[in-house]
Amino acid sequence: GAGVSQTPSNKVTEKGKYVELRCDPISGHTALYWYRQSLGQGPEFLIYFQGTGAADDSGLPNDRFFAVRPEGSVSTLKIQRTERGDSAVYLCASSLKGLGSLETQYFGPGTRLLVL
Amino acid sequence: AQSVTQLGSHVSVSEGALVLLRCNYSSSVPPYLFWYVQYPNQGLQLLLKYTSAATLVKGINGFEAEFKKSETSFHLTKPSAHMSDAAEYFCAVSALVGGSEKLVFGKGTKLTVNP
Repeated sequence: GAGVSQTPSNKVTEKGKYVELRCDPISGHTALYWYRQSLGQGPEFLIYFQGTGAADDSGLPNDRFFAVRPEGSVSTLKIQRTERGDSAVYLCASSLKGLGSLETQYFGPGTRLLVL
Repeated sequence: AQSVTQLGSHVSVSEGALVLLRCNYSSSVPPYLFWYVQYPNQGLQLLLKYTSAATLVKGINGFEAEFKKSETSFHLTKPSAHMSDAAEYFCAVSALVGGSEKLVFGKGTKLTVNP
């Protein structure tokens, strides 16, 4: 079956521009996570959705970042007024239930964002 | 708060040799521990996870890890390396805080397998 997909695979933008990154989780997965992986680092948590609601957004670095999941499936990570420091690979993961079930998080291939 | 330290950003072994990738964790509550593998231009794939059952956890592709509470370690091993094991490996911890299963990752260890 289809795994987690992310689009675009690569995004180049200019400093100050707005970008949207999309994540399509595995069908039926209610939990969805966004992580950011900078060069030479491990992934860092950004935000967790349980269904349509953001259950934990403690990892968002500042108010330029926000994410939505309006129908409990596809999620969009939105970055306003991009800065060069936002350049990274943005990873999305989904799991069947979340809520302490410790089910496997399945990761997408990521979107590589480059801010010039 | 949780954190993970992976000792050695690069590890090189010969094909057929033992693979040992080190991971130490810090957690204020009982941890759940994971090893993920990342091949170039691919997403992370779960190798194995510890969820407080058996301390020796077997995973895919012949990997296993042992949870040692006294040493706060969760090292990953494989008896005999294959060329296909060359990848980057990440150790992660989760603590189920408030129902969030967010993972806290180490910086990763890049494994090279020499013929």
